[in-house]
Amino acid sequence: DTGVSQNPRHKITKRGQNVTFRCDPISEHNRLYWYRQTLGQGPEFLTYFQNEAQLEKSRLLSDRFSAERPKGSFSTLEIQRTEQGDSAMYLCASSVDYKVQETQYFGPGTRLLVL
Amino acid sequence: SQQGEEDPQALSIQEGENATMNCSYKTSINNLQWYRQNSGRGLVHLILIRSNEREKHSGRLRVTLDTSKKSSSLLITASRAADTASYFCATGYSGGGADGLTFGKGTHLIIQP
Repeated sequence: DTGVSQNPRHKITKRGQNVTFRCDPISEHNRLYWYRQTLGQGPEFLTYFQNEAQLEKSRLLSDRFSAERPKGSFSTLEIQRTEQGDSAMYLCASSVDYKVQETQYFGPGTRLLVL
Repeated sequence: SQQGEEDPQALSIQEGENATMNCSYKTSINNLQWYRQNSGRGLVHLILIRSNEREKHSGRLRVTLDTSKKSSSLLITASRAADTASYFCATGYSGGGADGLTFGKGTHLIIQP
């Protein structure tokens, strides 16, 4: 399968714990995006990377959230000191260079439940 | 905040009928995309239309874009049970700012067999 993959698919954690999600984009896609989706809403943009550089962060990305893409391939999204309001689906997407192709291809998501 | 607003929020039709969903947005855009999401899963890209295009077709899908009214519509012809899903429009900004897409809340489409 050559699509975007995300792990884990589901995560249940207790409030105050740290969690980390991983995203593997489509090969040769140099742009990688993170979104958050709550029930009944559309996805909301969190941040994106051009290769290993994090170029933009949404104001939704509080200081408890950190994302990395160390080698310009896979990315991780960490949430520290989780809160119940962090419960959501976390989606990753990738695309080739914006100037060539704008279509973003999404992974299946990681569903987080904070108890 | 979400820029796009889909209308209707929910739509239920009989298999074989056509389904039309609308999307309105607020700011200037570079392109508008439609995505489908089956229950609890990731999004599947359906079609992209650029700001200088007015209509685009892909199989049973037809998308229109009216930049003067800041609106778009998605038509699914000859609907099938497998078309049951949530449909989202997403806009890409022109100018500076984040390159992430801005999604609406979606239209939940149910195709009755």
